[in-house]
Amino acid sequence: AQSVSQHNHHVILSEAASLELGCNYSYGGTVNLFWYVQYPGQHLQLLLKYFSGDPLVKGIKGFEAEFIKSKFSFNLRKPSVQWSDTAEYFCAVNLDSGNTGKLIFGQGTTLQVKP
Amino acid sequence: GAVVSQHPSWVICKSGTSVKIECRSLDFQATTMFWYRQFPKQSLMLMATSNEGSKATYEQGVEKDKFLINHASLTLSTLTVTSAHPEDSSFYICSAPQYVEAFFGQGTRLTVV
Repeated sequence: AQSVSQHNHHVILSEAASLELGCNYSYGGTVNLFWYVQYPGQHLQLLLKYFSGDPLVKGIKGFEAEFIKSKFSFNLRKPSVQWSDTAEYFCAVNLDSGNTGKLIFGQGTTLQVKP
Repeated sequence: GAVVSQHPSWVICKSGTSVKIECRSLDFQATTMFWYRQFPKQSLMLMATSNEGSKATYEQGVEKDKFLINHASLTLSTLTVTSAHPEDSSFYICSAPQYVEAFFGQGTRLTVV
């Protein structure tokens, strides 16, 4: 079965530290890839997405992610985190391009940024 | 971006009763909506695809008679948890796609006592 795996369950960083959250998926076909963020008490929000083209995608709030097809990975990065980045981060995969809302989620990573 | 509103945000009900959760797309139409369930410290699991004007499509292992889904209009899908039990306590989230992006409701925390 298709799955999405996030390697880090809980990450604690100090402000200004660099961030990289791992995401791997298991599916050999064409995929659409997403990173979502959920701030405490708020909706899931889209950080960035990859459909095709340049494998390095830039999202909101200084986040970026790189799609490496050979590694089935879509890792999220940010050069310098802020306290306001404290949130839950979810990697997600869409396997059905005709049904873009149908997502398989990773288990999520809780990011805690210390001021 | 598009807005999806879910109601209620939280609900407590007695075991054996039914609870209805609404998911509305406020500024766009959605022929398809999705219902997810999230257990504490775990991922969002897709429960079902809600289809406007037709039956919902349930994921494997999801009881369609327990989780009734109705998509009566292009802006509203409802999830009814029937004869709720404590093990149904969870966080339920809906989403609606617009173009190539999915927009999520704020979720509903269901507690069955």
